[in-house]
Formats: sequence, C-alpha cells, structure tokens
Amino acid sequence: EIVLTQSPGTLSLSPGERATLSCRASQSVSSNYLAWCQQKPGQGPRLLIYDASTRATGIPDRFSGSGSGTDFTLTISRLEPEDFAVYYCHQYANSPFTFGQGTKLEI
Amino acid sequence: QVQLVESGGGVVQPGGSLRLSCAASGFTFGTVGMHWVRQAPGKGLEWVSYIRKDGSTIYYADSVKGRFTISRDNSKNTVYLQMNSLRAEDTAVYFCASITRGWGQGTLVTVSS
Repeated sequence: EIVLTQSPGTLSLSPGERATLSCRASQSVSSNYLAWCQQKPGQGPRLLIYDASTRATGIPDRFSGSGSGTDFTLTISRLEPEDFAVYYCHQYANSPFTFGQGTKLEI
Repeated sequence: QVQLVESGGGVVQPGGSLRLSCAASGFTFGTVGMHWVRQAPGKGLEWVSYIRKDGSTIYYADSVKGRFTISRDNSKNTVYLQMNSLRAEDTAVYFCASITRGWGQGTLVTVSS
C-alpha cells in the first residue's frame, strides 16, 4: 500500500500570500497518478488537479500541481479568502488507492 | 457541467444493508472509472471501491471486502454501492467520484441500533 504523507498538517497564511503544500509517497506513484482536492466544512471535495499537474475544468490558474515519483506539490500562487480549506492528495496508481491525511490551510 | 448526485443513505441497524446510487451527468459516463470514498465524522477521506469504465476491473479496500459490492449501469449513467453486513465503523458520508471529472456532495450512512 502506498502511504501518502502531507505536510505541513496546518498552514497559517494571509490572503495574497503563496501557499506550498507537500505530499510525499512511500513508494513511487506510477504514471504520476496523483490528484489534489479541496474540501470545505459540510461540503464534498472539489477536484483541483489530476495526473499531478493537470488542472481540472474551471479551476483558477493560481492553483498548480507539480512533482513526480514520490514528491508532489500543490502551489496556490496568491491566496484568495475562499481558498482557506482542507486539501488532500490521493494516488490512483495502485490499489488500494490512498489519501493523505490532509493539510488545513487557515488564515 | 459535471454533476454527481448520491442517494440511498440513511440509518440502518448493525448487520443491515443499504444500496447507494450515484447519478452522473455532464460528461460521457461510460468512458471513466468511478470510485466510492467515505469520510467518517471528523475524519479524513478513505477510499472504498473502484470500478473501471466498462466494469471489467473492480477493487475494494480491505475494510469492506466481502461485504460491499460496486457495480455500474452505463445506460443509466449510474454507479452503485451495495453495502451488506454493516457495522458501526461504516458510519460515514459516502461520496462518489471520478478522478478526472469531480466529486458528488455525498450521502450520509449511519449504522446504529
């Protein structure tokens, strides 16, 4: 099983700042089958990035994904107030598909 | 736009059964694999099951293997999750998702006597 470890657990920033979220895999994620999603309280997750770096339809270009192998990063270039939420990475390369524990982005 | 709408959740006693449905629209359903993912109260996301676009490949998490069955009907743009022998630890919001299209809003399953 591929274990995904996200860091930091909580990230405290202000609107306008840059956020860098990390996701490290216990073994290489083949074909870079790694995605990022955002979740706000009481809502379903929102797909942001898939295949490590492809933005989903309708996602603003301030969100970008990068990385390969075992190290992946989600970058939010300039934080907007609506970006404060919990972010999860997940791999869909090998079953059992797994999620990271989440990074809470707070003001 | 992409829509995934789950239904079928509710309150069930331990040992009971439920069938969840997820109706998809806004994309060509039969071309994408589908997942069920759950989230226990106050916890993170847990992957449950996957079915390939044509139903030829299916995977389950160990925690549900032998109790849950995933299926799909591409003519109805719907994926299902049959849940049997339910336990208290299955209590969660259940989401359906396509990795490349998006997520639903979830349906709550509560297993309690």
